[in-house]
Amino acid sequence: GAGVSQSPSNKVTEKGKDVELRCDPISGHTALYWYRQRLGQGLEFLIYFQGNSAPDKSGLPSDRFSAERTGESVSTLTIQRTQQEDSAVYLCASSLVAGQSVTDTQYFGPGTRLTVL
Amino acid sequence: GQSLEQPSEVTAVEGAIVQINCTYQTSGFYGLSWYQQHDGGAPTFLSYNALDGLEETGRFSSFLSRSDSYGYLLLQELQMKDSASYFCAVKDTGRRALTFGSGTRLQVQP
Repeated sequence: GAGVSQSPSNKVTEKGKDVELRCDPISGHTALYWYRQRLGQGLEFLIYFQGNSAPDKSGLPSDRFSAERTGESVSTLTIQRTQQEDSAVYLCASSLVAGQSVTDTQYFGPGTRLTVL
Repeated sequence: GQSLEQPSEVTAVEGAIVQINCTYQTSGFYGLSWYQQHDGGAPTFLSYNALDGLEETGRFSSFLSRSDSYGYLLLQELQMKDSASYFCAVKDTGRRALTFGSGTRLQVQP
């Protein structure tokens, strides 16, 4: 079916506001990942879901960041009280399973570009 | 933890061959992956090396040497559309997510 989709594609917000970013993974993919990419830099891991549970939240930079996943499909990343340093592209990826082999290839969505003024 | 190092930028001409190196430090990992990302686009999977040696996929090949903590991506018969950023990434034995290098920006010139 379709690839990973994310919405919105662009989000401009004022410092202190809350934002919600949405990810629709590939149908049937049980694993879902959130990454952050600052301009000109590599991808920084935030959180990973296996099904609806999040075994690894180690990359969330502060308690202002949270994420949930329902129905083993859609995931929402929420950033509360946004700060200017939160400005980045937020990328979501999904994979069939969360293992160690090539079948665990992660497929990325186009990202949400967040700008905090 | 893990860390990966790549050159920040590489320039080559159409038709040439270019090699992008990646050195890593990790306590234990399953394999080395390579992703391509065009400006404003999503990273797309190119190749994965679980074992030492060369993996070939069309014009792209990837190599891994675990004993040297080193790998590379080899792009042959370069085309203008290959201009993009290339990231190496590892998945270590402690987590399921990937740890990415900072990326190598490849510029292909006519």
